[in-house]
Amino acid sequence: EVQLVESGGGLVQPGGSLRLSCAASGFTFSDHYMDWVRQAPGKGLEWVGRTRNKANSYTTEYAASVKGRFTVSRDDSENSLYLQMNSLKTEDTAVYYCASSTGTYRQFDFWGQGTLVTVSS
Amino acid sequence: DIQLTQSPSFLSASVGDRVTITCRASQGISSYLAWYQQKPGKAPKLLIYAASTLQSGVPSRFSGSRSGTEFTLTISSLQPEDFATYYCQQLNTYPPTFGQGTKVEIK
Repeated sequence: EVQLVESGGGLVQPGGSLRLSCAASGFTFSDHYMDWVRQAPGKGLEWVGRTRNKANSYTTEYAASVKGRFTVSRDDSENSLYLQMNSLKTEDTAVYYCASSTGTYRQFDFWGQGTLVTVSS
Repeated sequence: DIQLTQSPSFLSASVGDRVTITCRASQGISSYLAWYQQKPGKAPKLLIYAASTLQSGVPSRFSGSRSGTEFTLTISSLQPEDFATYYCQQLNTYPPTFGQGTKVEIK
């Protein structure tokens, strides 16, 4: 059974940092691209960033809203995905989901349950 | 960025109804479109990808189609467990973008 389990969310002050983790199991993690998607309270879905697999040199992509502040990384030996968030703003408050991306069309086939990040003073 | 406009934003329907949700892309995205279902407090769930391919395990009452830059999600006979919010997503061009969502509620 495929499982993605996020952790690391919590309350942080504006300007602070937080590192989210996503533990994967039940599939060949190293083969997949992995993504972060967020959802502000009562709002829609917003893609945050992606890490490609080893075959694609672990290259990354970011949304303009987080570029330069957030870093996506992975550890295939630990089947884990990470999101380092620096210089956090109140508008970064959201539930953060990790998702696996596969196939020719790179659809997001599996999602974690999400972890809440609240940026507030 | 490619904009996806879903319509309607909200619809009220009864069990057994045929429901259609439309997603219009601001530019060509070929068939790089997926549909997701999200229930309150839960993660999104993939329903359809490549515009019309049903994800494994998804009931056959869900279907997707494409006409140019207009995409449609159809639920042939609405079931109680289908009341949720539905999102389209384009995967053709970075950044991947989502529509604003369509909330399907019980009439």
